[in-house]
Amino acid sequence: GAGVSQTPSNKVTEKGKYVELRCDPISGHTALYWYRQSLGQGPEFLIYFQGTGAADDSGLPNDRFFAVRPEGSVSTLKIQRTERGDSAVYLCASSHGGWGTEAFFGQGTRLTVV
Amino acid sequence: QKEVEQNSGPLSVPEGAIASLNCTYSDRGSQSFFWYRQYSGKSPELIMFIYSNGDKEDGRFTAQLNKASQYVSLLIRDSQPSDSATYLCAVILVRGNKLVFGAGTILRVKS
Repeated sequence: GAGVSQTPSNKVTEKGKYVELRCDPISGHTALYWYRQSLGQGPEFLIYFQGTGAADDSGLPNDRFFAVRPEGSVSTLKIQRTERGDSAVYLCASSHGGWGTEAFFGQGTRLTVV
Repeated sequence: QKEVEQNSGPLSVPEGAIASLNCTYSDRGSQSFFWYRQYSGKSPELIMFIYSNGDKEDGRFTAQLNKASQYVSLLIRDSQPSDSATYLCAVILVRGNKLVFGAGTILRVKS
């Protein structure tokens, strides 16, 4: 596609529920990143994929968070047993050459846990 | 110590002036540096990247990198009200190869 696409743009869920956030990267981009951004803060690194594998998942806050990229293109961020503290904008970015090359962001998914 | 530090601002400059945004980083081995602009409610937009010491110019924007002092800056010449946004500095860490961001500096250009 022309840009990074994230769906849904907004998600409201009840505490304790499971959610999935989807990212469709720029066509041909092998690297894909997930970040979380709270109001007034910079993007917080969660996980980085190179192809199908997670090259660095050190930013995932706990085992309720998991991400997959089974075919090396679309990625899904999965959050189990959501908590109110998970409320944030979840950003996805992709680049064509992994670290060291420019990353381009999607419009984000605003997650609200009530 | 945070991996990437920026003054949160806000930095206020009059229209037409030069805005100077600064960033320091902790990982001495870092090689790749980026500046993103983020308007309120929008996602970050890449405006500059720099890999080598010195200056890199692109239109009204100049990125400056000093690896010895571990700082990177962004100059915006002839600032316009449309430049008002949060500017995010990002660095690729040698340790773990993560792209990490500072908290951002709010810039306000007053007409």
